[in-house]
Amino acid sequence: DAKTTQPPSMDCAEGRAANLPCNHSTISGNEYVYWYRQIHSQGPQYIIHGLKNNETNEMASLIITEDRKSSTLILPHATLRDTAVYYCIVGPSSNTGKLIFGQGTTLQVKP
Amino acid sequence: GAVVSQHPSRVICKSGTSVKIECRSLDFQATTMFWYRQFPKQSLMLMATSNEGSKATYEQGVEKDKFLINHASLTLSTLTVTSAHPEDSSFYICSARGTGGADYGYTFGSGTRLTVV
Repeated sequence: DAKTTQPPSMDCAEGRAANLPCNHSTISGNEYVYWYRQIHSQGPQYIIHGLKNNETNEMASLIITEDRKSSTLILPHATLRDTAVYYCIVGPSSNTGKLIFGQGTTLQVKP
Repeated sequence: GAVVSQHPSRVICKSGTSVKIECRSLDFQATTMFWYRQFPKQSLMLMATSNEGSKATYEQGVEKDKFLINHASLTLSTLTVTSAHPEDSSFYICSARGTGGADYGYTFGSGTRLTVV
């Protein structure tokens, strides 16, 4: 079973920041938080992942609470092409560990 | 960055026939690959974990004799849907994680849309 809880859907205005929350209260000490997104009929696209510290890359920022029980993915300036299903996944650090997907959040970016 | 190539992207087959889907890691070696299935408007469901040089590990409820997985090299895993039926029609997606190099997390293929008629 998925170890995360996300709102089923969210809207965001184009050009504004999109903040997608995720709860993972049962996360273990060596488990990472991964974010992926899936645009219709495509494979999931990697966005970002982190363990304890906040992370930022060219796509997004990941804010992880100090107790690691929740996190927020931030898309700083959402565009229409960011409309997708966003998955927050708690996963292992090893190369052989598997990712179990939850239901994700459908983000609709509106003009 | 890490790239996973999946082929074919779409396939239509007749009921009772078998279909093979290939998943290749193009610029990294993957000792472990994963196969998922996704039905319309649903999330990805993990089917099996493919280990190079050994038998795949199937998730509960997935028929190993129906979904044959072969991981013969560090860059290639195949999923064969045997004796396909219309209920096997789905979006199949593979994923891989490298053994070293830049850590991009898990990389996914672009998926294969299987339609059984």
